[in-house]
Amino acid sequence: KNEVEQSPQNLTAQEGEFITINCSYSVGISALHWLQQHPGGGIVSLFMLSSGKKKHGRLIATINIQEKHSSLHITASHPRDSAVYICAVRPPFAGGTSYGKLTFGQGTILTVHP
Amino acid sequence: DAGVIQSPRHEVTEMGQEVTLRCKPISGHDYLFWYRQTMMRGLELLIYFNNNVPIDDSGMPEDRFSAKMPNASFSTLKIQPSEPRDSAVYFCASSLRGPGTGELFFGEGSRLTVL
Repeated sequence: KNEVEQSPQNLTAQEGEFITINCSYSVGISALHWLQQHPGGGIVSLFMLSSGKKKHGRLIATINIQEKHSSLHITASHPRDSAVYICAVRPPFAGGTSYGKLTFGQGTILTVHP
Repeated sequence: DAGVIQSPRHEVTEMGQEVTLRCKPISGHDYLFWYRQTMMRGLELLIYFNNNVPIDDSGMPEDRFSAKMPNASFSTLKIQPSEPRDSAVYFCASSLRGPGTGELFFGEGSRLTVL
């Protein structure tokens, strides 16, 4: 079982729909990242969370540390939101070398049709 | 700031050749990461530096891979000799660690094809 699991793996939506992508992890973390990658493109960091909720435009990210779960929501989805969304977790800082080692989920491929 | 800058964006080479990928992190960032992305394995951390010092290179596949960071504004990832299974997109990222920070900034990636 992977340490970071995303669901769903593939998601198709119509423009305007509300979208949720989930990320569950099984290890202790100091932070969780949501990343976006457009086809053939680079990777953009959307959010870094260690607790609670963050909002940026139509994107909302939440995290529940006790349940080891995070969600990424997209309101009023648009075709330009079509991309791969990747969840990644960072281990707690304990003075060792693992601090920089993100563990990545397998990604969720989102396609939004007009 | 121009962001993390990687070069080349695309490289096609023949098996056995040496490949050098370059990265300029965001000024002031003290962490630099090299990642590899393939369809089969997704994103994998190869090595990361803190204040130009390699901290963890356990992700480097084998001795054919080496990385250096001679100063705070430049890093290289070298593959010698290259093999077809090294074909992937290689990303460099930088971050500034500290309370409430640590957000990652990625370069556009270097797409390597080894024939």
